[in-house]
Amino acid sequence: AQSVTQPDIHITVSEGASLELRCNYSYGATPYLFWYVQSPGQGLQLLLKYFSGDTLVQGIKGFEAEFKRSQSSFNLRKPSVHWSDAAEYFCAVGRYSSASKIIFGSGTRLSIRP
Amino acid sequence: SQTIHQWPATLVQPVGSPLSLECTVEGTSNPNLYWYRQAAGRGLQLLFYSVGIGQISSEVPQNLSASRPQDRQFILSSKKLLLSDSGFYLCAWTLRGQGKETQYFGPGTRLLVL
Repeated sequence: AQSVTQPDIHITVSEGASLELRCNYSYGATPYLFWYVQSPGQGLQLLLKYFSGDTLVQGIKGFEAEFKRSQSSFNLRKPSVHWSDAAEYFCAVGRYSSASKIIFGSGTRLSIRP
Repeated sequence: SQTIHQWPATLVQPVGSPLSLECTVEGTSNPNLYWYRQAAGRGLQLLFYSVGIGQISSEVPQNLSASRPQDRQFILSSKKLLLSDSGFYLCAWTLRGQGKETQYFGPGTRLLVL
């Protein structure tokens, strides 16, 4: 069965510092992967997605993620965080199916230290 | 462009009362539609999905039901709410395609059952 693990429940980084949020997945075939961001009380916004091809994908708001098949990981990175990046971040993995269902990790809450 | 709407934005209901949450999508046809629940501080749990009018698949047994009376309308219902039904309910849609489409989310409905 497919699953997604986000090992960090809460991370605090200083404004201007670099960021890496971890995501590990379990899936028996080539997955397709997403990162979403959720501000308090809001819906989810797509940051980036990986389906195939180049394993380093660029997203919105200066985020990028790298797919590493050997490590079953899809970590999200940003070289310099801004206070507005404070939010909940969700990694998700999908499997090819007629319904395009995806499984979400439990999320990582990012706080920014001034 | 496509837009997804959910209403109401917030709802406070007594235990045992009925529930109806509505989701509509504009700007596309034949979408796949999804209902998720997000409990406080938790990830997203897929409740129902639909690949067409009148076609509903349930992911977990529960006190809720879903219906799709029109192509771009998805309704989440309950006859008698439980305290455990409290949470943040999110609707999402995808294009109907190759089975690995991106899900796009609505703004959500916060439900508090007292």
